[in-house]
Amino acid sequence: GQQVMQIPQYQHVQEGEDFTTYCNSSTTLSNIQWYKQRPGGHPVFLIQLVKSGEVKKQKRLTFQFGEAKKNSSLHITATQTTDVGTYFCAASPSGTYKYIFGTGTRLKVLA
Amino acid sequence: NAGVMQNPRHLVRRRGQEARLRCSPMKGHSHVYWYRQLPEEGLKFMVYLQKENIIDESGMPKERFSAEFPKEGPSILRIQQVVRGDSAAYFCASSPQDRENSPLHFGNGTRLTVT
Repeated sequence: GQQVMQIPQYQHVQEGEDFTTYCNSSTTLSNIQWYKQRPGGHPVFLIQLVKSGEVKKQKRLTFQFGEAKKNSSLHITATQTTDVGTYFCAASPSGTYKYIFGTGTRLKVLA
Repeated sequence: NAGVMQNPRHLVRRRGQEARLRCSPMKGHSHVYWYRQLPEEGLKFMVYLQKENIIDESGMPKERFSAEFPKEGPSILRIQQVVRGDSAAYFCASSPQDRENSPLHFGNGTRLTVT
């Protein structure tokens, strides 16, 4: 079945440093979504990418979808303590409506 | 504008008992997903339902687990004869339609502890 891997699994950064998490799929994706889960909380939708090579920005967050639509990245510029949490990518296998979540990247920001 | 409502927030069951987890989707949403999350792990897809229909249950264990989404009332995830390995957070999510690009709206989850 389709697998969605994320790296790194954990990342500790000093406040103000940048952070990037990468999402890789074994198959071509029709779209990819990103979610953030705060410690003890529930996943919250951040964004969806659909087009090959698409880049979207939300303030300090930049999301990219690879040209081959098999990988994606989330980059945070100048991290803040409020960025702490686990970031998941999610993809829907072609022909289905279920969402497979990546393994997640847990971000800790040291003040 | 109530979001996805899950109850109970915390549920403690002894081995062998039954656990019933409830999920009311957002208003206007007719599609419900259930996910399981072990501590410090990712979200594992369990089942996708529409009103009165199970669309995809490929992530459900073959035994003891069942899900329903009746015409009236919340979606129910039922775990019979719970074992310690069932201890996890169970999240429900809803979406407004069955297109691939509908974001999922998650509830706060039910934390199940089996003693």
